[in-house]
Amino acid sequence: GAVVSQHPSWVICKSGTSVKIECRSLDFQATTMFWYRQFPKQSLMLMATSNEGSKATYEQGVEKDKFLINHASLTLSTLTVTSAHPEDSSFYICSARPGLAGGYEQYFGPGTRLTVT
Amino acid sequence: QQQVKQSPQSLIVQKGGISIINCAYENTAFDYFPWYQQFPGKGPALLIAIRPDVSEKKEGRFTISFNKSAKQFSLHIMDSQPGDSATYFCAASSPHAGNNRKLIWGLGTSLAVNP
Repeated sequence: GAVVSQHPSWVICKSGTSVKIECRSLDFQATTMFWYRQFPKQSLMLMATSNEGSKATYEQGVEKDKFLINHASLTLSTLTVTSAHPEDSSFYICSARPGLAGGYEQYFGPGTRLTVT
Repeated sequence: QQQVKQSPQSLIVQKGGISIINCAYENTAFDYFPWYQQFPGKGPALLIAIRPDVSEKKEGRFTISFNKSAKQFSLHIMDSQPGDSATYFCAASSPHAGNNRKLIWGLGTSLAVNP
């Protein structure tokens, strides 16, 4: 149980284009999903908290106009990297928190490797 | 200011030995402490977690020890195996209510178990 998927698992795009990453909770509903970014050999950096049906809450320093988050249903959140540049190349990971009320556990997707050329 | 401090940064253990990773936190309002395991190129996987009203929790070969007065918690991996070689992250749940509760992460420990 508590399986989270991400699509695509890797993507290469040209500078200036936009890329959408999907995060799905497969066997549970999640009011809250999280988007992280991770650089090689570093810890996870929370980018934003996504709540179904409402605007995402972005962490300080994260550009909300560049990283668009939509949480359209209780099982799907999307992250769109707009006008991507090489410095946006990174490993993006989503997580989902089971349940309709605030709980504790977060279950992570397998991650998406983004390379911007 | 790092709210969750993890040590050591890297650890080498012989097969069959005990791996011990430590974390210390600052905020006494933290109320949930998970450990995650991450293999290269994969997302983190929840290993085991503890609440502050419990001093120890064991699941298979993995044990969390929690010291509330010292604001420290640790992960013990008994009978370490080469397949345990991965990066381990501790975290603490921020005391925000409801849906805005989020995890504060340690910097990670790279564990290598020699065969």
